[in-house]
Amino acid sequence: DAGVIQSPRHEVTEMGQEVTLRCKPISGHNSLFWYRQTMMRGLELLIYFNNNVPIDDSGMPEDRFSAKMPNASFSTLKIQPSEPRDSAVYFCASRNRENTEAFFGQGTRLTVV
Amino acid sequence: KNQVEQSPQSLIILEGKNCTLQCNYTVSPFSNLRWYKQDTGRGPVSLTIMTFSENTKSNGRYTATLDADTKQSSLHITASQLSDSASYICVVSIFRDAGGTSYGKLTFGQGTILTVHP
Repeated sequence: DAGVIQSPRHEVTEMGQEVTLRCKPISGHNSLFWYRQTMMRGLELLIYFNNNVPIDDSGMPEDRFSAKMPNASFSTLKIQPSEPRDSAVYFCASRNRENTEAFFGQGTRLTVV
Repeated sequence: KNQVEQSPQSLIILEGKNCTLQCNYTVSPFSNLRWYKQDTGRGPVSLTIMTFSENTKSNGRYTATLDADTKQSSLHITASQLSDSASYICVVSIFRDAGGTSYGKLTFGQGTILTVHP
């Protein structure tokens, strides 16, 4: 398996633009997580999906952030409109059942100028 | 105050030396604790997992300890190699209820940045 695949690896956009980050979890995994990593705050959970259903979105910072998981093999994280403070590395992770290891993607480094 | 605190923030050692990284946590209820290694520009990778009933677990040159009473964990690296240079993150899984569903939420420490010099 290729692991968790995220795209793009790097994204530079202007403030106010819409940004869409993509994730393909490991086949067979039923849980998917979106995290944001910054120097100041480390890794923070944004949203957790189980069987394609959003279970915990309490970490989503504002209404500008939205996430979808239309099927078991694809998820998106959208920021609209983007702001400079959204600049961070966004990670997607998946696991196949509770208390097993969560496998992380390579991340998307987002820079909003 | 962070629920998972790590020390030191950064550490520089010479190749071949040993080192110990510390993790204190206050989160509860506790499910398990993991140490992750994150290389620059990559996602975190799990090194070891420990449940509250385990005191010590080894994975090659990595040995993790856990004291569930004092809520402390350590990661000991022996005979360090240049490839050990990375950020080491302590991650505690806590039970969280969300919308009637309980799941193990990962709470991350800030990490210790380890640099191994030749």
